[in-house]
Amino acid sequence: DAGVIQSPRHEVTEMGQEVTLRCKPISGHNSLFWYRQTMMRGLELLIYFNNNVPIDDSGMPEDRFSAKMPNASFSTLKIQPSEPRDSAVYFCASSLGLEQPQHFGDGTRLSIL
Amino acid sequence: QKEVEQNSGPLSVPEGAIASLNCTYSDRVSQSFFWYRQYSGKSPELIMSIYSNGDKEDGRFTAQLNKASQYVSLLIRDSQPSDSATYLCAVKASGTYKYIFGTGTRLKVLA
Repeated sequence: DAGVIQSPRHEVTEMGQEVTLRCKPISGHNSLFWYRQTMMRGLELLIYFNNNVPIDDSGMPEDRFSAKMPNASFSTLKIQPSEPRDSAVYFCASSLGLEQPQHFGDGTRLSIL
Repeated sequence: QKEVEQNSGPLSVPEGAIASLNCTYSDRVSQSFFWYRQYSGKSPELIMSIYSNGDKEDGRFTAQLNKASQYVSLLIRDSQPSDSATYLCAVKASGTYKYIFGTGTRLKVLA
């Protein structure tokens, strides 16, 4: 079975550019999570969707970050404009429901120069 | 502030030994507990989940939960060099969606 699919795997771009990260959750999973992982702060939850609806975006660091889930099989995380401090690994995870474990995608390693 | 605490390590054990990884949490209403393994440069991979007090075994892995003492541990028997990774503990309260992750314990299994 296909797991959570993220793209791109790596992104290197210059400060000020728009960055779009993509995620396809596991088929049938109704919960989707975006995380950011850094050495200093570990895994941080950015936003949580349930049935395509954003439930909690309190972890989104600034207005420069936005996320959408137009349908059950696709979500995007956008950073505009990007800054060097946004450099991190961004993970998407999905689960079958609140009481089921989360499964992570391979992540996008983002470097903002 | 709800917290999950893990010793960052590294925890070094010889090949074939038992590795014991510990995690404590502060929120008493926590109900679901997960161990994830993360190899360097890779994503977290779920290896164990535990919901009730006691032990849960899966192959070489045993998760132990003590809600009264607010700790959860992971034992890895017959440790192999391929077990060398960072192990993340995650805790979730019933009816919520939010996982609280520890910062992870780095395990090194020496051949």
